[in-house]
Amino acid sequence: GQSLEQPSEVTAVEGAIVQINCTYQTSGFYGLSWYQQHDGGAPTFLSYNALDGLEETGRFSSFLSRSDSYGYLLLQELQMKDSASYFCAVKRNFNKFYFGSGTKLNVKP
Amino acid sequence: ETGVTQTPRHLVMGMTNKKSLKCEQHLGHNAMYWYKQSAKKPLELMFVYSLEERVENNSVPSRFSPECPNSSHLFLHLHTLQPEDSALYLCASSHERSGANVLTFGAGSRLTVL
Repeated sequence: GQSLEQPSEVTAVEGAIVQINCTYQTSGFYGLSWYQQHDGGAPTFLSYNALDGLEETGRFSSFLSRSDSYGYLLLQELQMKDSASYFCAVKRNFNKFYFGSGTKLNVKP
Repeated sequence: ETGVTQTPRHLVMGMTNKKSLKCEQHLGHNAMYWYKQSAKKPLELMFVYSLEERVENNSVPSRFSPECPNSSHLFLHLHTLQPEDSALYLCASSHERSGANVLTFGAGSRLTVL
């Protein structure tokens, strides 16, 4: 089996930086993904880390430490449109992806 | 439009009804997934089809029956559901090759069981 833990809710102000952590327990680990989901919308892919270290894509960065079974998503220069739920997901064999319960990010003016 | 289309978007059914959810993708992907999303719970992986073969049946009750007739279409047949099955059912697809790490989701089918 597998389990993933992430905070249920985070609040930050516009222009700030926020970090959403994810710890996981699983066998057959291939990598850690992050997805964004706005209310009423579909989850959309943000990033994927297979190796330790930081991956940067514009305002978003994602980090993985395989030895610590830990990763985080870093959002910089927060905008109101970043208010959404963010999910981490582990990839296992046969392209199976298992998700955490999500972190609701509230961005305030 | 994400490239993955789900119908219907909303479905209300009684516990004795039989209905089906449909998912279609035109992205050239060859793996397809059903997830269940309930409030305050993780997205639950239900079924995975890879090259039209089921590779995961994640302890899902038999009242849910998937069907994958080809790599572009995926169905979830529903019968004698329970009220706790009310949820958002999400379909996703990916390309099963080395390094393919992206799921593309549909908008979901919101199911209410009365």
